[in-house]
Amino acid sequence: DAGVIQSPRHEVTEMGQEVTLRCKPISGHNSLFWYRQTMMRGLELLIYFNNNVPIDDSGMPEDRFSAKMPNASFSTLKIQPSEPRDSAVYFCASSPRTRNNEQFFGPGTRLTVL
Amino acid sequence: GENVEQHPSTLSVQEGDSAVIKCTYSDSASNYFPWYKQELGKGPQLIIDIRSNVGEKKDQRIAVTLNKTAKHFSLHITETQPEDSAVYFCAASSYNTDKLIFGTGTRLQVFP
Repeated sequence: DAGVIQSPRHEVTEMGQEVTLRCKPISGHNSLFWYRQTMMRGLELLIYFNNNVPIDDSGMPEDRFSAKMPNASFSTLKIQPSEPRDSAVYFCASSPRTRNNEQFFGPGTRLTVL
Repeated sequence: GENVEQHPSTLSVQEGDSAVIKCTYSDSASNYFPWYKQELGKGPQLIIDIRSNVGEKKDQRIAVTLNKTAKHFSLHITETQPEDSAVYFCAASSYNTDKLIFGTGTRLQVFP
């Protein structure tokens, strides 16, 4: 199994630009989570999906952030427009089922907004 | 909502010594407590977890204990090795949510 796949691994962009992060969960997993990690705020859950449906987006910082999961094998996290304070490592994780099961994390995307 | 506090933030030990990381949680409904290890440049990886119907769980050199009354749980690593050096996160979750609430992390350094 290839594990959770994220792309790109690194992204450098200028303030105001649109950024799209991509995630392919492990096949058969029906829960998908997007996290943001920074030194100041640690590991924060942004949004999660069950069976492609967004369940809780209370962690999404503001309207500039949006996430979609058009099918069971693909999800995107979009930031538009990006700001320097969005610089962080963004992780995608998937889980085989809901309610207290191991979350498998991808390698992360390091985003730098200049 | 749930809040998880983790201590210490950094921990340095000599190879072969034991390391203990402690976490407290606020939501009495929490019933699942995983521990994740994050190596440099990688995503967190589950190393051990415990559910509220169990007080202790061991896996080779790693053990986790849970005190539901006091709402705290701990990670114990015995006979530490340099490859144990990483950042460790505790987390908590309750039966009525899929969300994991993570602690702030402990950077463990094991010196040869």
